[in-house]
Amino acid sequence: EPEVTQTPSHQVTQMGQEVILRCVPISNHLYFYWYRQILGQKVEFLVSFYNNEISEKSEIFDDQFSVERPDGSNFTLKIRSTKLEDSAMYFCASSGGGGFDNSPLHFGNGTRLTVT
Amino acid sequence: DQQVKQNSPSLSVQEGRISILNCDYTNSMFDYFLWYKKYPAEGPTFLISISSIKDKNEDGRFTVFLNKSAKHLSLHIVPSQPGDSAVYFCAASEGDDKIIFGKGTRLHILP
Repeated sequence: EPEVTQTPSHQVTQMGQEVILRCVPISNHLYFYWYRQILGQKVEFLVSFYNNEISEKSEIFDDQFSVERPDGSNFTLKIRSTKLEDSAMYFCASSGGGGFDNSPLHFGNGTRLTVT
Repeated sequence: DQQVKQNSPSLSVQEGRISILNCDYTNSMFDYFLWYKKYPAEGPTFLISISSIKDKNEDGRFTVFLNKSAKHLSLHIVPSQPGDSAVYFCAASEGDDKIIFGKGTRLHILP
């Protein structure tokens, strides 16, 4: 079964540094998402992306965050200047569209980001 | 602002018995509900869903019940198996581009 793959599985960075989290969605999917889960808390929506633009974003997704689909296969999340509170598990997801009943979200295994 | 609430952080059930995971929501605009299962070191995996126009959806051992008037849904797993031990997330959508997750319930299936 096709999978969403994320790299790296664990990223450690110093506060103030830029990080890029990478994802390869399922190849025929059209909608792409980033979610995060701070340890012990719920999975939170960050941003959705369709047709090469952001379709929706949460309050968490401020100017420090950006997403890009640079080459038609990768989908990246960039955090410009990391803060301690950005430490979390970041999940990429994709779906084929047509509503969640037709195409539920498929998640990757996540990238654990640790900001020191 | 918890729009999707899973009030039981954990639940232990004997193997072979029924597991019932509960979820409450506050947003009456939600029209689609999903359950995801998550093992350690893996992303959430879609399990089953239900549209707000239905009150029950069944898929093998998994059944989701929706009570719109009570803004409550539940996931029934019967019979429970050891491989069902995982964290279960209730999630909901307004039909837009995002789904809102609850905090999850850790299910332990006891031998």
